Amino acid sequence: DTEVTQTPKHLVMGMTNKKSLKCEQHMGHRAMYWYKQKAKKPPELMFVYSYEKLSINESVPSRFSPECPNSSLLNLHLHALQPEDSALYLCASSHLLDQETQYFGPGTRLLVL
Amino acid sequence: AQSVAQPEDQVNVAEGNPLTVKCTYSVSGNPYLFWYVQYPNRGLQFLLKYITGDNLVKGSYGFEAEFNKSQTSFHLKKPSALVSDSALYFCAVKRGSTLGRLYFGRGTQLTVWP
Repeated sequence: DTEVTQTPKHLVMGMTNKKSLKCEQHMGHRAMYWYKQKAKKPPELMFVYSYEKLSINESVPSRFSPECPNSSLLNLHLHALQPEDSALYLCASSHLLDQETQYFGPGTRLLVL
Repeated sequence: AQSVAQPEDQVNVAEGNPLTVKCTYSVSGNPYLFWYVQYPNRGLQFLLKYITGDNLVKGSYGFEAEFNKSQTSFHLKKPSALVSDSALYFCAVKRGSTLGRLYFGRGTQLTVWP
């Protein structure tokens, strides 16, 4: 089973709202990732967690706040977003070895009004 | 610095014909190379990867890719294209000891005409 699940599938929020994206995997992967993808563009890495600790933050604005409560779950808390933050947000997971494949979830389509 | 180039934004091919989606890479050290496919409004789906060993890698849905070290290329191929192969294809490279850092090409839109 190589399934990564993400909820919700779609999200519309105003610039003053607080919302959260959720990602879950049960493959025993100890690395989890958040990516942002604009239409017809490659994914852009935002955050990497390894063993539930934040390993990489790609200079993401503080209005995005990641959280890894346990080895299976990854959240992305959103607050005071801007319209330009509208995008597809992808979660991925992998084993920690360098050559291991990252498996992606279906994404959350976010629209900020 | 690590980088991936997909020189074609768009590839069009007739159903039943062979297809090639090109990818070249630049990385210091030994590369780990990946191909992903993305259907509209979906996440990325893993197709195949090259780590070491045989230069010809076979993957899902009849796709294969050939690693060419001298030309630093990793082109994706399929002997006979299907209309259902129409999608956005991403090549990605990862260097050893760079946790999490997949470097993606800009993507190639493949359209297979019936």
